Amino acid sequence: GESVGLHLPTLSVQEGDNSIINCAYSNSASDYFIWYKQESGKGPQFIIDIRSNMDKRQGQRVTVLLNKTVKHLSLQIAATQPGDSAVYFCAERPNTNAGKSTFGDGTTLTVKP
Amino acid sequence: DAGVTQSPTHLIKTRGQQVTLRCSPKSGHDTVSWYQQALGQGPQFIFQYYEEEERQRGNFPDRFSGHQFPNYSSELNVNALLLGDSALYLCASSLRSSSTDTQYFGPGTRLTVL
Repeated sequence: GESVGLHLPTLSVQEGDNSIINCAYSNSASDYFIWYKQESGKGPQFIIDIRSNMDKRQGQRVTVLLNKTVKHLSLQIAATQPGDSAVYFCAERPNTNAGKSTFGDGTTLTVKP
Repeated sequence: DAGVTQSPTHLIKTRGQQVTLRCSPKSGHDTVSWYQQALGQGPQFIFQYYEEEERQRGNFPDRFSGHQFPNYSSELNVNALLLGDSALYLCASSLRSSSTDTQYFGPGTRLTVL
């Protein structure tokens, strides 16, 4: 079956440093990938997405990289701030218009001042 | 512009009881998906509603059922509650016709089954 997993359950970085959160997926048919941020007591918040026909996409302070050869996805956060502390999930869908998103178990990012 | 709202925020039930959770989608959205998130895990897809019909379903038993109303709001019903149903239940809304069908999540309903 399909599964999405993150390499590390926790990540601690110093404020101002760059953060890299990794994710491995198993379904080679996945066509669409999303990163979510979940703060305590809140629902997941959309950060950035990428389609399988791309290998890189940039947003504000965030970059997502997709390596389909090794089925690996990463989220890079530049100049990490205390407000970035949260649990980060990667999710995959078979295509952009399929409702079911399959989530990994998340990486907890802690930013030290 | 109101985002996705869910009610109630918290709920405590006992085994065997039934529960109904409610969701109002983000303004302009027509599709509602429900997820179950156990403590320390990622959300698991329960089902999705569009045009008042269940369109997709995850690996959940028939005890989990739902409904979508003409105003796009939705309910999740769980019958014969088990201890293992204790979780955060998340509602996500999206616009079916959009290019990526991005899902926006509500704050969730925390269900505790005793």
